[in-house]
Amino acid sequence: DVKVTQSSRYLVKRTGEKVFLECVQDMDHENMFWYRQDPGLGLRLIYFSYDVKMKEKGDIPEGYSVSREKKERFSLILESASTNQTSMYLCASSFLAGQTETQYFGPGTRLLVL
Amino acid sequence: GEDVEQSLFLSVREGDSSVINCTYTDSSSTYLYWYKQEPGAGLQLLTYIFSNMDMKQDQRLTVLLNKKDKHLSLRIADTQTGDSAIYFCAESRTSGTYKYIFGTGTRLKVLA
Repeated sequence: DVKVTQSSRYLVKRTGEKVFLECVQDMDHENMFWYRQDPGLGLRLIYFSYDVKMKEKGDIPEGYSVSREKKERFSLILESASTNQTSMYLCASSFLAGQTETQYFGPGTRLLVL
Repeated sequence: GEDVEQSLFLSVREGDSSVINCTYTDSSSTYLYWYKQEPGAGLQLLTYIFSNMDMKQDQRLTVLLNKKDKHLSLRIADTQTGDSAIYFCAESRTSGTYKYIFGTGTRLKVLA
C-alpha cells in the first residue's frame, strides 16, 4: 500500500514564525503536491513538484515556498506565518499510469496560527 | 471559468440512496474521479471514470457521466452511517497548467 506521511497532525504557531511542514511518500512517485483545505473552498493547490529539485506554483502560492531535495520528501515552508494561513494542509503524491493519475493523500496537518 | 462545482451538503436516511452531483467546465478532461474524506483523514480514491464512458458501477457505487452537460454524479446505494464523509469530485485535464482540479466537496450526513 502507498503510504504518505506528514510530520505533524496538529501544529500551533505564532504570527511571524517560520513553519516547516514535511511530507514523505514511500512509493517512488514522481509527483508530489501541497494543498490547503478550507470549509466551502475545497482543496486549493499551493505548489507541486514533478521531479527532484523541481517546483511549480499552484493556485495560491503566495506566502509559501517548497523544497524537494529528495524524491520521497516534499516540504512546505511558511516563511512568516500569518493568521490567514490557519488551515488544514494536505500532501499528496501520484504517478501517471497511461492517462490515469491517482493521487494518494497524507492524513493532513491542521495548522493554527495565533 | 475553471471551477469544479458541488453542492456543500447532503443529508440522507440510512438505507436510502445518496446522489452527489458535480459539474465541471473543461471538455478536454480525460478522467473524472471521486474521492472520499473521512473525519480527520486525507482523501482516498473511491472510483474513476474515463471521459468516453457514460456509466461505471462498482458494488454500491454508480458513477454517471453526462459529457454534453459536463455533469458527473455518484450514487451510493443502501447508504450506511459509515458513508458519512466529504466527497470530492476531481478532473484530470489535458490542457492548461494543472493536471488535477478538485471540486469544493460535498459533506454527506447519513441519519440513522
